[in-house]
Amino acid sequence: GAGVSQSPRYKVAKRGQDVALRCDPISGHVSLFWYQQALGQGPEFLTYFQNEAQLDKSGLPSDRFFAERPEGSVSTLKIQRTQQEDSAVYLCASSLAAGLLRGEQFFGPGTRLTVL
Amino acid sequence: DQQVKQNSPSLSVQEGRISILNCDYTNSMFDYFLWYKKYPAEGPTFLISISSIKDKNEDGRFTVFLNKSAKHLSLHIVPSQPGDSAVYFCAASAYNTNAGKSTFGDGTTLTVKP
Repeated sequence: GAGVSQSPRYKVAKRGQDVALRCDPISGHVSLFWYQQALGQGPEFLTYFQNEAQLDKSGLPSDRFFAERPEGSVSTLKIQRTQQEDSAVYLCASSLAAGLLRGEQFFGPGTRLTVL
Repeated sequence: DQQVKQNSPSLSVQEGRISILNCDYTNSMFDYFLWYKKYPAEGPTFLISISSIKDKNEDGRFTVFLNKSAKHLSLHIVPSQPGDSAVYFCAASAYNTNAGKSTFGDGTTLTVKP
């Protein structure tokens, strides 16, 4: 069956460029998360959507980071004026759980962003 | 201040033996814990979870133990197989967070030698 897909898988950007990373969650999954994973570290929470509503963006590191999920399905993470410290793997995860329910998250393969 | 810590970056065990991966947490609001397994160039995949109302959960070769008083959990894999070689992440969520927003440890790389 179809899992979570992300594109592109690899992205090289020059410092100062804008990038857009796409996530296609599992169909019917209400919840969608974005995580940032630096080399040798675990995923760190960036933002959370329940359907089209962005309920938590407490993990976004700066106002250069923006995420949207306009129709409650596909999501895009945009990074403006990329900096070298933005280099990381960006993981998207979706889940059936919503509200105060907990459950496993299904992760995509990630987008590896390298900023030169 | 890291709220979920996996103090062993790596672990090597012989095929057929037990692998024990450890995880400590500091946030007393965490009440749901998960283990994920990650192969290179892939996203993490869910292995097993445990709620704080339990102290043990078992699924085949995988067992997770939770010691709430010590704020410690461990993942046991018995018997270990070469295909278990991967990075294992411990994750935790608090009861009042959206859909189990998770805090992850930095992972332990398990190598199972044939």
